[in-house]
This record gives sequence, structure tokens and C-alpha cells, in this order.
Amino acid sequence: EVVLTQSPATLSLSPGERATLSCRASQSVSTDLAWYQQKPGQPPRLLIYNASNRATGIPARFSGSGSGTDFTLTISSLEPEDYAIYYCQQRSNWPPVFTFGPGTRVDLK
Amino acid sequence: HLQESGPGLVKPSETLSLNCNVSGVSFSSDSYYWAWIRQSPGKGLEWIGTIYYGGSTHYNPSLESRVTMFVDKSRNQFSLSLSSVAAADTGVYFCARRETNFGGSFDHWGQGTLVSVSS
Repeated sequence: EVVLTQSPATLSLSPGERATLSCRASQSVSTDLAWYQQKPGQPPRLLIYNASNRATGIPARFSGSGSGTDFTLTISSLEPEDYAIYYCQQRSNWPPVFTFGPGTRVDLK
Repeated sequence: HLQESGPGLVKPSETLSLNCNVSGVSFSSDSYYWAWIRQSPGKGLEWIGTIYYGGSTHYNPSLESRVTMFVDKSRNQFSLSLSSVAAADTGVYFCARRETNFGGSFDHWGQGTLVSVSS
């Protein structure tokens, strides 16, 4: 099973600052990696799929990069609504097994 | 739109049963797979399984012996059955959609339903 590790566990930043979140896979997942945002009491919201493609309606300040085992989610300039927990998720090719990382909390500095 | 339904309390050793009603999209589209994902404080987000409208399934190997998923195309609905539940199965259960054009990601989620396992 592919294990995803996210760092840091918590990121404390002020509005307008740049956020850089990391996700590392225990083995290569090519570019089959997604990022989600979750706020309290809500389901996860898809931000990025296939490592670098923004989902429908996602603002351009969110970007994803990486391939293989190392991936990054960048929020170029934090808005108040961006304080949340961010998860990465991968799909193994065969058999199709999906795993999530433990999450990175972005909170207000 | 996806909406979960089912009992919020299940006794240990019994079977948890949940339904997900799908509306606003074509349930039988070739482009969609339907999934159950749960979230608990101890284990974070955990994929349970995925089903295609035709009935083919893939389950999390760690849960496979206890999981069954099935579809009811006439009702635009898919369902989860998890047997022999224990306290560790307590959590919020989400149903979600995987759109094949978006790789292995889940692009639409239900609001989730809290299931507690307790006597």
C-alpha cells in the first residue's frame, strides 16, 4: 500500500502570505495525486487533480506541482477563507486502491 | 448532488448499512465511479470502496472481508454494508463520485453522515 506523508502538520501564516504544503508518497504514483481542502463540518473539496490541474471553480492562487513521490500544493497569497485542513490523496494503478495523507492544517498566525 | 442516509447508531458486531442517493447527474454514465469514504479522528480519511454502475467493485484490502457495495439503478442509489462493526468503525461516512476525466480524484461528495458504534 502506498503511504502518503504530509508536512508540516501545521502551518501558521498571515493573510497574504504564501503557503507551501508538501506531500510525499512511499513509492511512485506518477501524477495520480489530488489535493483537497476541508473546513469543519464540511466534506473535503477537490482542489487539484492529476498533480497540477485545478478543479472546476478553484481560484488561480491554488497550484499543484510534482510527480513520482514528491508533490507540492502552493497557495500564492492566503485569503481568510483558505484557513482549513489540506489533504493529498493518491490512486494506485492496479488494483485500484486510494489512500489519503494525514493532512496539513493551515491556521492564522 | 449526493446524499447519505442510514442509522446513526449501530451496535457492536452488527451490520452498518448506508445508502447514497444521487441526483442531478446521470448515475449510469460511463464516466463515473461511486465511492464510500469515511473519516474518524483515529484514522483520518479512509477509502472504503468504489462501485461502477454496472456493479463491479473494488474494496480497501483492510476492510474487504466485511464490505459489500451494490447499486440500485432504478433509484439512482448505491449502498454500503459493513458487517461485524466495532468501535473503530465509528466516524463520518461520505459517499463520493469519481469522474474518470479527473484521474483518481473524487470531485463531488455528500455532506456525510455520522455513524456511532455503541451498545
